[in-house]
Amino acid sequence: GQNIDQPTEMTATEGAIVQINCTYQTSGFNGLFWYQQHAGEAPTFLSYNVLDGLEEKGRFSSFLSRSKGYSYLLLKELQMKDSASYLCAVRATSGTYKYIFGTGTRLKVLA
Amino acid sequence: GAGVSQSPRYKVAKRGQDVALRCDPISGHVSLFWYQQALGQGPEFLTYFQNEAQLDKSGLPSDRFFAERPEGSVSTLKIQRTQQEDSAVYLCASSLGEQFFGPGTRLTVL
Repeated sequence: GQNIDQPTEMTATEGAIVQINCTYQTSGFNGLFWYQQHAGEAPTFLSYNVLDGLEEKGRFSSFLSRSKGYSYLLLKELQMKDSASYLCAVRATSGTYKYIFGTGTRLKVLA
Repeated sequence: GAGVSQSPRYKVAKRGQDVALRCDPISGHVSLFWYQQALGQGPEFLTYFQNEAQLDKSGLPSDRFFAERPEGSVSTLKIQRTQQEDSAVYLCASSLGEQFFGPGTRLTVL
């Protein structure tokens, strides 16, 4: 089967660093994506990894290990506006580019 | 257009009614996806188009769900004889590489 696991909720303090983990088991793999989704809004793209290693983009970094089926999203210098759900998604290639999403991690940033 | 647009933004239907949800993708985007997102869950894949061709419809939950993209641009997701379990947000995304999501249509079936 196809499965993506990530923690349901996390809480962190403004200015801190938080790491959101994602593990996946899918029938194919052609990239891992992280999206941010504020309540009642559409998901917005944060990062993309297709090769092993770390991708850095400002305050956000994402890491991928394909052999372990593991990724994490690292958020630095947390701000209140970072309170949102963070979705991990795998693009599988079973004939077409099908995206499989995790249930999302709700992050609460406290003052 | 500037982004993906969807209409209507909100739809309330009585059980048994048919509904049609529209998606206007970003101009030139070949790929178009429909997702269903229940409250507190991640988006669930419904179907995928490449231009006008529906290449994957494995996520459509029943034969009451039908999607089309006849001219390779605007797409419509139709749900016949709606049931309460169809209540969700329906997201459309278009892509040339990364996906850009529309604001979604919140469907409530009473």
